[in-house]
Amino acid sequence: GDSVTQMEGPVTLSEEAFLTINCTYTATGYPSLFWYVQYPGEGLQLLLKATKADDKGSNKGFEATYRKETTSFHLEKGSVQVSDSAVYFCALSQGAQKLVFGQGTRLTINP
Amino acid sequence: KAGVTQTPRYLIKTRGQQVTLSCSPISGHRSVSWYQQTPGQGLQFLFEYFSETQRNKGNFPGRFSGRQFSNSRSEMNVSTLELGDSALYLCASSSGTSGTTREQYFGPGTRLTVT
Repeated sequence: GDSVTQMEGPVTLSEEAFLTINCTYTATGYPSLFWYVQYPGEGLQLLLKATKADDKGSNKGFEATYRKETTSFHLEKGSVQVSDSAVYFCALSQGAQKLVFGQGTRLTINP
Repeated sequence: KAGVTQTPRYLIKTRGQQVTLSCSPISGHRSVSWYQQTPGQGLQFLFEYFSETQRNKGNFPGRFSGRQFSNSRSEMNVSTLELGDSALYLCASSSGTSGTTREQYFGPGTRLTVT
């Protein structure tokens, strides 16, 4: 079945550092890919998405490019802030309202 | 537009009891999905309802059930609670129709603790 693998956390960075969170997927078709973020005590918020190969999703300084050849959707941000501290989830969906999530990566940004 | 709301936010139940959780989707959204989040298993899909019909179902035992009403509000029920059912239950709504993928908007969740 479909699956998503994220880099293991936790990840700790200093403010203004460059961020990469790796995400790879296994799917039989051509899924849509998503990054969700979860702040403490809250539900998930959609951060960005890409629906086809070579699409780049972006939001709030975060970016991720749908790479079909490497089945990857890595999350990047050039300069992180303390407010970016949260848990980040990579997910895929194939033509249905069913998301398959990675295990999540906890990110902590120190001032 | 109001977001997805879930009630109650916190719940404590005893093993063997049953529980009902409620979800009100974003106005105009007809698809409602439910997920279970635990530290060990992560986020797992339970089921999805669209226009009062269950369209998709995850790999959970029959103790987990749900329904959707004509106003798109949804409930999920867990019978004969087990300690392992302790989790954050998240509801998500979407404007997606059959065969399409639309982004899902999540509620804050219901934290269920089974003792």
